[in-house]
Amino acid sequence: DIQMTQSPSTLSASVGDRVTIACRASQTIRSRLAWYQQKPGNAPNLLISEASTLESGVPSRFSGSGSGTEFTLTISSLQPDDFATYYCQQYNGYPWTFGQGTKVEVK
Amino acid sequence: QVQLVESGGGVVQPGGSLRLSCAASGFTFRNYGIHWVRQAPGKGLEWVALIWYDGGDKYFADSVKGRFTISRDNSKNTLHLQMNSLRAEDTALYYCAKDGGYGTMVRGVIPAWGQGTLVTVSS
Repeated sequence: DIQMTQSPSTLSASVGDRVTIACRASQTIRSRLAWYQQKPGNAPNLLISEASTLESGVPSRFSGSGSGTEFTLTISSLQPDDFATYYCQQYNGYPWTFGQGTKVEVK
Repeated sequence: QVQLVESGGGVVQPGGSLRLSCAASGFTFRNYGIHWVRQAPGKGLEWVALIWYDGGDKYFADSVKGRFTISRDNSKNTLHLQMNSLRAEDTALYYCAKDGGYGTMVRGVIPAWGQGTLVTVSS
């Protein structure tokens, strides 16, 4: 199985900060990487697919990059609505696997 | 809009069984693969199972293989997850989720999720 490792596990930041979350795959997944945002009590919400393609309705302050085994999610200017947990997920091969999550909390 | 509503969760003893259901609306159900993804309390996401648009192919995580089965009724826009030989580690919120592909082109990206149904395995 492909292991997905996110860093950091927790990130403390302030509104307006530039935030970067890393995701590493245990083997190449090409660009078959998605990012999800999850808020407490809610289902995950797909933000980005194909490593860098923003889903419809997702604010442009979110961006994704990378290919192969190294990926990043960047929030250019953190907004109050962005405090949440973020997960990466590979879909290059079955079984589909998620990272352990990165919680973005108020500094 | 796409709506997925899970039901059937509850408390069950170790070794017991439970059948989850997912009612879909707002899209042409018979054209899409559907996943089950679970989340243990306070933990991350774990993919559990996928069924193809026509039920012709099914995939399971190793952690549930041989214990869980998945089925769908495209005439009723419903999906089921039969869970047998349940263990404490199966305790989780179970999400029904629509695949981002179409027909045989399963993508594995999940653009639509239900709100989940909670399964608790405890004596």
